[in-house]
Amino acid sequence: QQPVQSPQAVILREGEDAVINCSSSKALYSVHWYRQKHGEAPVFLMILLKGGEQKGHDKISASFNEKKQQSSLYLTASQLSYSGTYFCGTDGGTSYGKLTFGQGTILTVHP
Amino acid sequence: DGGITQSPKYLFRKEGQNVTLSCEQNLNHDAMYWYRQDPGQGLRLIYYSQIVNDFQKGDIAEGYSVSREKKESFPLTVTSAQKNPTAFYLCASSIIDPNTEAFFGQGTRLTVV
Repeated sequence: QQPVQSPQAVILREGEDAVINCSSSKALYSVHWYRQKHGEAPVFLMILLKGGEQKGHDKISASFNEKKQQSSLYLTASQLSYSGTYFCGTDGGTSYGKLTFGQGTILTVHP
Repeated sequence: DGGITQSPKYLFRKEGQNVTLSCEQNLNHDAMYWYRQDPGQGLRLIYYSQIVNDFQKGDIAEGYSVSREKKESFPLTVTSAQKNPTAFYLCASSIIDPNTEAFFGQGTRLTVV
């Protein structure tokens, strides 16, 4: 079953912040975050493992609440290059190795 | 350079014909995946494989078939039983490790007319 992402779409001005959420009905081993530009392959952003660890690089970070089976991606001081569709992928439950993605969140950053 | 290659990039087929999409990787990854992408639906898992000669159905396997005769190759056949095959198809591969990302091919856009 696919994880559920919210919101479905976000529109920002450069410099503004955004949060994208991902929740699953199954216990998770890990949560992956990817960004995809139109017509291209998804590009890896980060992985979070169970344990509530928060990761980040540059102005993009993420958290993972294992008990709630939720993850959030934080984009701060957004740049035009952040535009794209963000996907969370989950690998867990009883099907380890089965990487399933959410429906995506479309992020648009305007000047 | 190591990577994952899908071919062709664009594919047109007549309704009722089977068509096979190619996916090859030279990353020595054990796991390979096929996803279908439609607007607003995200990436939906069709099939995945963790070892040669073994594969499992994903969430939308009906109308599709795969094989995994070699570690490097995981072709997807879209059969005439697939009711709405026009979509963007993405292949991915990874090491079987929760701390490792999946690598994606550039995708094949299939249009059935």
